[in-house]
Amino acid sequence: AQSVTQLGSHVSVSEGALVLLRCNYSSSVPPYLFWYVQYPNQGLQLLLKYTSAATLVKGINGFEAEFKKSETSFHLTKPSAHMSDAAEYFCAVSMNTGNQFYFGTGTSLTVIP
Amino acid sequence: GAGVSQSPSNKVTEKGKDVELRCDPISGHTALYWYRQRLGQGLEFLIYFQGNSAPDKSGLPSDRFSAERTGESVSTLTIQRTQQEDSAVYLCASSFGNGRTDTQYFGPGTRLTVL
Repeated sequence: AQSVTQLGSHVSVSEGALVLLRCNYSSSVPPYLFWYVQYPNQGLQLLLKYTSAATLVKGINGFEAEFKKSETSFHLTKPSAHMSDAAEYFCAVSMNTGNQFYFGTGTSLTVIP
Repeated sequence: GAGVSQSPSNKVTEKGKDVELRCDPISGHTALYWYRQRLGQGLEFLIYFQGNSAPDKSGLPSDRFSAERTGESVSTLTIQRTQQEDSAVYLCASSFGNGRTDTQYFGPGTRLTVL
């Protein structure tokens, strides 16, 4: 079975600092990769996704992620954190066969003023 | 409506009772997913619908769980003889295509508490 590991269930950064949220997957075949965000009292929404095109993917709100096959990683970054970025972030994978999605346990991002 | 809706938003039930959770996907979305999110854990895949059929039921944790979808629209997730370990937030999502690369649009969830 596939698995997704998000290192750090809680991450705190200062406003204006770099945001780095880590995601690693276990798969011998490159999967499709997603980052979803859940703002307080809202449903999950897509930030960005990798579907075997460019390895550096840009998403909404200034976020981007790079697929690194050699490291089986898909870390999420943003150069400068805003207060509005405080949310729960989920990494997810799907395979090119079957229909299951595998989600990580989430990383709660706190932005300190 | 514009987004995925779920009802009820909260459900408190007694152990052993049956519950039914409802999901209204975005109109035109053929794929529909149910997930379970226990406290402090990630989303756990339960079942996938393509149209009205469910080609993948592998995530249903036991035969107490069942789901159906009618008219390529509304879906209901039924949990029979609820147990305390069923307490979780149940999320529904829909997407336009087959789902593997398509964006999923999530509902706000139903928080189920089994006493």
